[in-house]
Amino acid sequence: NAGVTQTPKFRVLKTGQSMTLLCAQDMNHEYMYWYRQDPGMGLRLIHYSVGEGTTAKGEVPDGYNVSRLKKQNFLLGLESAAPSQTSVYFCASSYEGARHSPLHFGNGTRLTVT
Amino acid sequence: AQKVTQAQTEISVVEKEDVTLDCVYETRDTTYYLFWYKQPPSGELVFLIRRNSFDEQNEISGRYSWNFQKSTSSFNFTITASQVVDSAVYFCALSENTGNQFYFGTGTSLTVIP
Repeated sequence: NAGVTQTPKFRVLKTGQSMTLLCAQDMNHEYMYWYRQDPGMGLRLIHYSVGEGTTAKGEVPDGYNVSRLKKQNFLLGLESAAPSQTSVYFCASSYEGARHSPLHFGNGTRLTVT
Repeated sequence: AQKVTQAQTEISVVEKEDVTLDCVYETRDTTYYLFWYKQPPSGELVFLIRRNSFDEQNEISGRYSWNFQKSTSSFNFTITASQVVDSAVYFCALSENTGNQFYFGTGTSLTVIP
């Protein structure tokens, strides 16, 4: 049982480049989330999804796009990377959503934008 | 306004000492859920506990205990007889009955010195 898998683990981008982070979960969870973690700021929600085909904005959505075409996958895209997007990105999933279920996290993706 | 406040940014203790990590939350909902997560140096986020707002009983799990007090909007975490393996960043989080988001504190970095 892999849980939540994020790819890639590390990435270095130049300003203006684009990339997609992939999150896959094998727990049949409805809810999926993308967070970024920055020193002194904790975890901040970028976008989330309450089911296949749905997405919603979180606290810091600007500069990111997401898609949930399949229930098990949640993609995070950066169309034109900026140094301010240097961060550690975590994907998470939960069964019943924030009201009931804890989050299961992936191991994170460390992104550096130069 | 910050919904979850972890005022202690960094704490250092000597092995075998007890340590309490503070968490203060803010919500208008009468039904809500509180969580603690651990992030060891390896970087993954590990779920520790979930409490709902109707259950104010303190919980103990081995050397870990949690004190939930609605009167002070606090959900503090105590580690008894700390060990080096307890060194990690600990996050407190809140989810409300309305909405699908988790709100994380900024984390407390605990270092246990051998």
